[in-house]
Amino acid sequence: DTGVSQDPRHKITKRGQNVTFRCDPISEHNRLYWYRQTLGQGPEFLTYFQNEAQLEKSRLLSDRFSAERPKGSFSTLEIQRTEQGDSAMYLCASSTPVQGVTGELFFGEGSRLTVL
Amino acid sequence: AQSVTQLGSHVSVSEGALVLLRCNYSSSVPPYLFWYVQYPNQGLQLLLKYTSAATLVKGINGFEAEFKKSETSFHLTKPSAHMSDAAEYFCAVSDKGIQGAQKLVFGQGTRLTINP
Repeated sequence: DTGVSQDPRHKITKRGQNVTFRCDPISEHNRLYWYRQTLGQGPEFLTYFQNEAQLEKSRLLSDRFSAERPKGSFSTLEIQRTEQGDSAMYLCASSTPVQGVTGELFFGEGSRLTVL
Repeated sequence: AQSVTQLGSHVSVSEGALVLLRCNYSSSVPPYLFWYVQYPNQGLQLLLKYTSAATLVKGINGFEAEFKKSETSFHLTKPSAHMSDAAEYFCAVSDKGIQGAQKLVFGQGTRLTINP
C-alpha cells in the first residue's frame, strides 16, 4: 500500500528563486489537496483538485503560487519569486469521493521549504 | 465557516498518566470531527474520526474521543501515556467548500510531552 508521496522532502532556496513541489496521491484517490503549515501552527488549506480540475483556491494562494494536476494523477505546486515568508511545510493530501464526503484526508510527509 | 479551538498549546504528562487534549468546535451544521497526530518532520496521521455515528470514538494507539454536542467539544483521551505518544496533535473539523467538497480546518495544535 503506497501512501501519498511528496518530493522533495526538503528544499533550501534563496529569496527570489522559483521552486516546484510534486505530489503523487494514492492511486485510486481522485481528490487532491495542498496545505501549508508554518512553525507552531496547524495546516492551512491552499487549494483542492477533483481529478484535473482545480475547484477551490484559498486567499492564501497569492499570484506567485500556481498548482496543477494535468492528468488527474500527480500534482505540482510552484512558487515563483520566493520570499522568506514562504518558508513552511507544504503538505499534500488525497481522498476518494466516499472519504471526501466527511473530509477525511490522507497526508504525505510534506515538503519543507526554507527561503534564505 | 467551521472552526476548532485547541485549549493548551503544550501539555506535559508523566508516563502512565491520563492524557487529555481539549478541542472545541464551532459549526453551524452537524460536524465531522477528526484528530490527527504529527511526529517531527512527518505528515499527519489520522487517529480517529467522528462522523455522526457513536459519540464515543475509538482510534489507533489506545486513543479515544467523545463528541459532546451540548459542550461543542471533542476532547481526546488516553488512559495511560506512553513515551511514544510524544507528538503534535491536531483537531480538525470538516468545512464545505465552494464547490461542495469537504475540506479540513485545523486547530493550532497541542504538543504532547511525556515525562519518564
